[in-house]
Amino acid sequence: SQQGEEDPQALSIQEGENATMNCSYKTSINNLQWYRQNSGRGLVHLILIRSNEREKHSGRLRVTLDTSKKSSSLLITASRAADTASYFCAKEGTGNTPLVFGKGTRLSVIA
Amino acid sequence: EPEVTQTPSHQVTQMGQEVILRCVPISNHLYFYWYRQILGQKVEFLVSFYNNEISEKSEIFDDQFSVERPDGSNFTLKIRSTKLEDSAMYFCASSVGGAGNTIYFGEGSWLTVV
Repeated sequence: SQQGEEDPQALSIQEGENATMNCSYKTSINNLQWYRQNSGRGLVHLILIRSNEREKHSGRLRVTLDTSKKSSSLLITASRAADTASYFCAKEGTGNTPLVFGKGTRLSVIA
Repeated sequence: EPEVTQTPSHQVTQMGQEVILRCVPISNHLYFYWYRQILGQKVEFLVSFYNNEISEKSEIFDDQFSVERPDGSNFTLKIRSTKLEDSAMYFCASSVGGAGNTIYFGEGSWLTVV
């Protein structure tokens, strides 16, 4: 299975702190995409990182990819209460396979 | 910014009834998808669609499910005879290309089967 899992399952931090969420996978990937989901809402695309990339940034978001460890991390710096959401990594395997989502990390940022 | 739109946002239906969920993908996108998320569980792939045909489907996408692109803008998911376990959030998604492209999701359609 290409499914990997995020950890931690839940994370609670104070506003202003950094939040790090990790994602692991089992088989080779083309890319890995991070999404955010507010409770009961749609999936908002954050960052796509390809297998030949090691790091990407978007505003306060930083994603790293370590293909040797089959893992990725999402770092949110200077978190805000509005960052409270679930964060998912979704793996696109080789061979044009569909995105496979993990269980996600529920992030709570306390003001 | 272009977005994937879905209707209805919420539908309640009787078990055994047919349901059609509608989606308008982003206009220049060529690849379309349906995913679902049962409450509290993972987002699961159902089906992908390209060039007017299904390119891939999961085990969930059995004979009760069908997809259609009836015109140049809509993409629909039909559940022929709903079951209680079909209750979930259904997400439509689209991408400009296939592998390696960002997949954009809609806000979802909550389906409650009673």
